[in-house]
Amino acid sequence: QAVVTQEPSLTVSPGGTVTLTCASSTGDVTNDHYPYWFQQRPGQAPRTLIFDSTDKHPWTPDRFSGSLLGGKAALTLSGAQSEDEADYYCLLSYSGDWVFGGGTKLTVL
Amino acid sequence: EVQLVESGGGLVKPGRSLRISCTASGFSFRDYAMSWFRQAPGKGLEWVGFLRSKAYGGTTGYAAAVKGRFTVSRDDSKGIAYLQMNSLKTEDTAVYYCTRDSRHCGRGRCWDLIDYWGQGTLVTVSS
Repeated sequence: QAVVTQEPSLTVSPGGTVTLTCASSTGDVTNDHYPYWFQQRPGQAPRTLIFDSTDKHPWTPDRFSGSLLGGKAALTLSGAQSEDEADYYCLLSYSGDWVFGGGTKLTVL
Repeated sequence: EVQLVESGGGLVKPGRSLRISCTASGFSFRDYAMSWFRQAPGKGLEWVGFLRSKAYGGTTGYAAAVKGRFTVSRDDSKGIAYLQMNSLKTEDTAVYYCTRDSRHCGRGRCWDLIDYWGQGTLVTVSS
C-alpha cells in the first residue's frame, strides 16, 4: 500500500503564513489522486477544507488554499488565527483506495 | 441543516460482531453516497469503506484492513447507513465516523466528494 507523508508538526505565528505538504511514496501527487485536506480541532470531528487539490467548501475560510506544489499536495494558511490550531490530514486516492497522511499538528504561537 | 449522528458503539469482545449506525437528516439521503472512517485513540484517520447511492449502482469499496469482515449497507427509507463489523480485533478499536459524499464533477471527471462528517461513535474491542 502507498504511504502518504506529511510534516509531523509545524508552528506559525498569529497572522503568519505556513504551508503544509502531502507527499506520495508512489511518485508525484497529481489531480488523479483527488487530494483532500481535513482539519480536526482537539476533541472534535474532522471537517473537510479542500477537495480536488484546490476547491473549497462554502465553510472553508478564505485564508486556506490548496495547490499542487513540487510534486506534492499543499495546504497554505495565510493570516493564521488561534482557532486554526489543529491537526490537518491529507487524503489521496489510489484507484479507489483512500490513504491518509499521518497528519500535521499545527501550532499557532 | 445536514446532520449525521453515529450510534451503536460500545465495548465488544474480540471475535464478536457489532453493527453501528449513522442516522442522517436535512438532506435527501437516497441521493448520496456514504463513507465510514475511523480513528484509533491518539492516532490518525483511516478510511474504512464507502457505499454509493442506488442511482450509481450501490457499489461498495473497502480498505484492505477490513475487507471481508466489514460491510456497509443502507436503508434509504429510514435515512440510515450501517457498518456491520464481524470478527472484530483489538486493532479495530477506534472512533468511527460516517460522512456524506456528494456527487461532484470537475476537471472532466465525476466522483463522490466527502463533505459532511458525523461526530463519531467509539468502538472498543477488548476482552
